[in-house]
Formats: sequence, C-alpha cells, structure tokens
Amino acid sequence: DVKVTQSSRYLVKRTGEKVFLECVQDMDHENMFWYRQDPGLGLRLIYFSYDVKMKEKGDIPEGYSVSREKKERFSLILESASTNQTSMYLCASSFHGTGGTGETQYFGPGTRLLVL
Amino acid sequence: DQQVKQNSPSLSVQEGRISILNCDYTNSMFDYFLWYKKYPAEGPTFLISISSIKDKNEDGRFTVFLNKSAKHLSLHIVPSQPGDSAVYFCAADRSTSGTYKYIFGTGTRLKVLA
Repeated sequence: DVKVTQSSRYLVKRTGEKVFLECVQDMDHENMFWYRQDPGLGLRLIYFSYDVKMKEKGDIPEGYSVSREKKERFSLILESASTNQTSMYLCASSFHGTGGTGETQYFGPGTRLLVL
Repeated sequence: DQQVKQNSPSLSVQEGRISILNCDYTNSMFDYFLWYKKYPAEGPTFLISISSIKDKNEDGRFTVFLNKSAKHLSLHIVPSQPGDSAVYFCAADRSTSGTYKYIFGTGTRLKVLA
C-alpha cells in the first residue's frame, strides 16, 4: 500500500516566519509534487521533482522553494510566510511513466497552514 | 489560463440516482485524463482514468466518458451513494510533455442526499 505522509496536519505561523513542510513516501517513487488547494482554484502545482536534487517550478512557485536530498523526502519551504500563503498544502508522489505519461499520483493527507 | 475547467462548483443528487460530473479542457494535446475524489481533511485519491485512444472506461459504479471532438469528459456514478459525497477533481496529462505533471480542474462538490 502506497503511503505518503506529511509532517503536520495543521500549522499556525506568523507573517515573516520561515516554514518547512515535509513529505515522505515509502514507495520508491521518482516523482514528487507539492500542490496547494484553495476554494474555487482547485489544485495548483507549486514545485515538482523527478529525481533527487532535481526540481522544477510548477505554476505558482513564487514565495516557495523546495529541497530533495533523498529520494523519499521532498520539503517545501516558505522563506518568509505571508497571509496569502494560508492554504491546504498537498504532497504527492508517482513513478515515472512510460512514454512520458506519469503514473498515478498518490497524495498525502495534507497540511492546513494558517499564516497570521 | 485555466486549461481544465469544471464549470459546476457543486451538485446535489438523490441517493440511488445518477451523478454526472463534467470537465472541459482546452489543450488538444492532452491525451490522458483522470478523476480524483477528495474528502475533507484528506488527500485526493485516484478514482478512474481514461486514455485518449478510448471513449469510455468503466470501473464498477464509475464510468468516465471522453468526447475528444468536444474536448469534454464526464464521470458517471450509478447508483450514487451517500459515501460518494466529496469533491471531485478531473485532471489531464500530456504524454509527450515528459514532465509527469497533471493539470487539475477546480473541483465539483458532490452531495448525495439520503
């Protein structure tokens, strides 16, 4: 059974704080993703990584950075948290697909972040 | 620029009836489509997918239909059950992109009334 875990379910931080969100998967997946979910906007991709130390920007990378030092772990960093980063953050992982199509993405339970 | 659109933010259906959730896309290069279901306080879970070489894929109570000419897909749930109440996201992929990314829609909240 694929398991994707996220370090916290709920977080409350203050504006300007540095925030670390961690994600761990136990299925040896090559790909890992960070999304945020906001009402009316669906799931938007922040960053993704298709290998250790590799990262690519998604659709909304501004204000975020990521780190992937080990295959199973993908961290999302908010360098200086702002109130507009209050959101649900979802991590996902998948195998590389054949022919360029990604395999099914498996999601963690999410971290609800509130920035005051 | 929303490439994958779910124009109905919510839908209510009576238990036992059919639920039809719709999704439109604009990029004709998309060739793989998925539906995910999300309960509150949980991550999305994969439900069903379809490749563009097919126009229908069925899995138990869930059927996805793809109309490539209209750039439209739909998810049918028959019969609907109260446990199906959740937010449903459609997603699209472009196999030639090599980036393994999905583009998600904005979601439709389904409420199945007992």
